[in-house]
Amino acid sequence: DIVMTQSPSSLAVSAGETVTINCKSSQSLLSSGNQKNYLAWYQQKPGQSPKLLIYLASTRESGVPDRFIGSGSGTDFTLTISSVQAEDLADYYCQQHYSYPLTFGSGTKLEIK
Amino acid sequence: EVQLVETGGGLVQPGKSLKLTCATSGFTFSTAWMHWVRQSPEKRLEWIARIKDKSNNYATDYVESVKGRFTISRDDSKSSVYLQMNSLKEEDTATYYCTQLGGGYWGQGVMVTVSS
Repeated sequence: DIVMTQSPSSLAVSAGETVTINCKSSQSLLSSGNQKNYLAWYQQKPGQSPKLLIYLASTRESGVPDRFIGSGSGTDFTLTISSVQAEDLADYYCQQHYSYPLTFGSGTKLEIK
Repeated sequence: EVQLVETGGGLVQPGKSLKLTCATSGFTFSTAWMHWVRQSPEKRLEWIARIKDKSNNYATDYVESVKGRFTISRDDSKSSVYLQMNSLKEEDTATYYCTQLGGGYWGQGVMVTVSS
């Protein structure tokens, strides 16, 4: 199974700051066939279901603000949230969709100071 | 509007069974690969099962921890997916989500508590 290691587990920032969340996979998520990385990012606000933000490492889901940026390749990935807003208070998870069983990172709790 | 509505959760004793139902609407269910994902009280997310569509022979896949105990199935005529859970353990306590991961569609989740 592919192990997803996410860091940090929590962070607190002021509105307007930039946040970086890291995700490392135990195996490469890069498909040699199409050169795509099978990594997704989810946002889960309190009391809600997870919401897909980013897939294929860097493609934003429709309607997701452009302040959410996914990057990385192979085994190292990053979710950057620029100019954080109060509404971004949530837990964030990475997930590999390269092979079964699909696996998630342990999550990052984002708090707004 | 896409909707996924899970039902069937509740409190159950260890060793007993429970069946979850996910009724969907608003997307082409018959060609969708459907999944169940659960979230523990500690908020850890765990993918547990997937069922493919008819063209892929409804192939299923499971995480090791539920193999032999849980069964995912679907009824395309009802746009519904199911999770039969047998021999439940306390560690199966979680909120269970039905999801069409490829489209980013998730249900609101249903709680399952396994306790004596």
